[in-house]
Amino acid sequence: NAGVMQNPRHLVRRRGQEARLRCSPMKGHSHVYWYRQLPEEGLKFMVYLQKENIIDESGMPKERFSAEFPKEGPSILRIQQVVRGDSAAYFCASSPLGGDHEQFFGPGTRLTVL
Amino acid sequence: GQQLNQSPQSMFIQEGEDVSMNCTSSSIFNTWLWYKQDPGEGPVLLIALYKAGELTSNGRLTAQFGITRKDSFLNISASIPSDVGIYFCAGQVSGTYKYIFGTGTRLKVLA
Repeated sequence: NAGVMQNPRHLVRRRGQEARLRCSPMKGHSHVYWYRQLPEEGLKFMVYLQKENIIDESGMPKERFSAEFPKEGPSILRIQQVVRGDSAAYFCASSPLGGDHEQFFGPGTRLTVL
Repeated sequence: GQQLNQSPQSMFIQEGEDVSMNCTSSSIFNTWLWYKQDPGEGPVLLIALYKAGELTSNGRLTAQFGITRKDSFLNISASIPSDVGIYFCAGQVSGTYKYIFGTGTRLKVLA
């Protein structure tokens, strides 16, 4: 019973490039959350998605960041024209029912922008 | 915006001692979750709390959902070296889908 999977685990990009982070939720989970974590800090909510729908993107920067969770395939967090300040660990969590149910986290993608 | 204060920020304890940490909020929460995160890994869920006053145990861990719905604590009894890590609380703000995370408690256990 595989847990939440994220890839790549580590991603290095130069300023101005695009970063694509993938998340495959646990089997049977149709709710996905993305979080960002800076060193020595807690996790900051970015976006909550269900299959083919963005439910809450209030934590996402208005520019350069986008997220999707298509009917088939993993959820994607996309960062265009990356800047050094985008360097962080990005975690995905999945939940069977969303709302006030527990969330299970993947191992994260550590993005480094040179 | 909502704030979640977690304390203490860090703790150094001797193996075998009990540990207590807590989170307080300015907002009412529907759900409290407690996680442990090891370096380079994602958070691992320890305990989930869904009702005010609820007291739940998971092995040596015990957590409670405060009566006011604005606080929660986590206790670890008889600590062992593998308890080392960062512990986070997370609360779901009433009326939203979002979880707010605390700043973490860094636990170090001295053998």
